[in-house]
Amino acid sequence: QQQVKQSPQSLIVQKGGISIINCAYENTAFDYFPWYQQFPGKGPALLIAIRPDVSEKKEGRFTISFNKSAKQFSLHIMDSQPGDSATYFCAASRSNYQLIWGAGTKLIIKP
Amino acid sequence: DAGITQSPRYKITETGRQVTLMCHQTWSHSYMFWYRQDLGHGLRLIYYSAAADITDKGEVPDGYVVSRSKTENFPLTLESATRSQTSVYFCASRSESKGETQYFGPGTRLLVL
Repeated sequence: QQQVKQSPQSLIVQKGGISIINCAYENTAFDYFPWYQQFPGKGPALLIAIRPDVSEKKEGRFTISFNKSAKQFSLHIMDSQPGDSATYFCAASRSNYQLIWGAGTKLIIKP
Repeated sequence: DAGITQSPRYKITETGRQVTLMCHQTWSHSYMFWYRQDLGHGLRLIYYSAAADITDKGEVPDGYVVSRSKTENFPLTLESATRSQTSVYFCASRSESKGETQYFGPGTRLLVL
């Protein structure tokens, strides 16, 4: 019940395309769903986050789509750029508690 | 504004030796965390601390010891290093009152021979 399952493990997208990474969770008590971005040799950094009271949140080219009934949320990167190449982690937490992390997706944007 | 720093950045040690990884944050954040990152496993929580002198186990605490005598420091000690503890270790911190964002350090890459 504590797991967050992330897919795909790796993803190659052409420059200008849409990158989509999916996550699924079981625990309906989760109330905070962040996405973190990690570049090689660096620590992860918060990219965007959503709470279950909204179905979508957009920040620039990055959008989280949230489906409460399906217990799924996804990250969409529009007009993907080579600079977006990184590892992306989804996570979930319950009421200010510790984060439960997905396994990560290595995204490569081909020029 | 130094933020959160980790030292050393790279460490090679031998099986059975004691190793201490340091973490220091300048924000006075209440929460601090230690994660290890391994291919295929993402980030796994080793220990966390809600405040000075308060620590608790995470998902993979065996073989590790932590302490937090001061708010800004959260060292992680491998009492007797094993090859399975070869990994990249990340420290993170979070404010108790300013949202749930965790801020990560640059990581320590540890190789146990």
